[in-house]
Amino acid sequence: EVQVADSGGGLVQPGQSLRLPCTTSGFIFGDHAMAWVRQAPGKGLEWVSLIRNKDYGGTTEYAASVKDRFTISRDDSKSIAYLQMNSLKAEDTAVYYCVRGMPGVIGYYMDGWGKGTTVTVSS
Amino acid sequence: EIVMTQSPATLSVSPGESATLSCRASQTVDSYLAWYQQQPDQAPRLLIYGISSRATGIPARFSGSGSGTEFTLTISSLQSEDSAVYYCQQYHSWPLTFGGGTKVEIK
Repeated sequence: EVQVADSGGGLVQPGQSLRLPCTTSGFIFGDHAMAWVRQAPGKGLEWVSLIRNKDYGGTTEYAASVKDRFTISRDDSKSIAYLQMNSLKAEDTAVYYCVRGMPGVIGYYMDGWGKGTTVTVSS
Repeated sequence: EIVMTQSPATLSVSPGESATLSCRASQTVDSYLAWYQQQPDQAPRLLIYGISSRATGIPARFSGSGSGTEFTLTISSLQSEDSAVYYCQQYHSWPLTFGGGTKVEIK
């Protein structure tokens, strides 16, 4: 069974940083892309970032709203993905879900969702 | 950016009836369309990918159809546990985008 566990959320002040780890099991981590999707309070889903597997060079994609502030990475030896979030803003406040990405020709759909970790950015 | 628009925003349906949810893309997404269900206070889960392929463990009463820019999720024989918000997502191009969701309420 695919298991995805996101963690690392918390309360931080604007401008600060936070790193979210995502631990996985039940599948060959190195064979899959991993992504982060967030959901602001009372709002819908917003894709944040994705990292491809090594077959696709481990390349990354970012939503415009987080580009140059967030960095996604992966450690295939530990089956863990990370989201490093810098220069956090109030509008980054959301539940962050780690997800397994399944490929289309270009993009990915999301199967295997973590339970979510809450990030609150407030002074 | 491809904008995904879902309608209606809220749907109220009696148990045993069918619900039809719509999703429209601002430009063609070919067959790269997925649907997700988010039950109250839960993480989303994948229902449908590739317009009409059900994910593992998803009951047959959930079906997807459509093409190009117009897509439909049909839930037949609605059950109480189907009360949730449903999102469509295109994975045709970057950035990946979701619709705003349709909330299905059980009367």
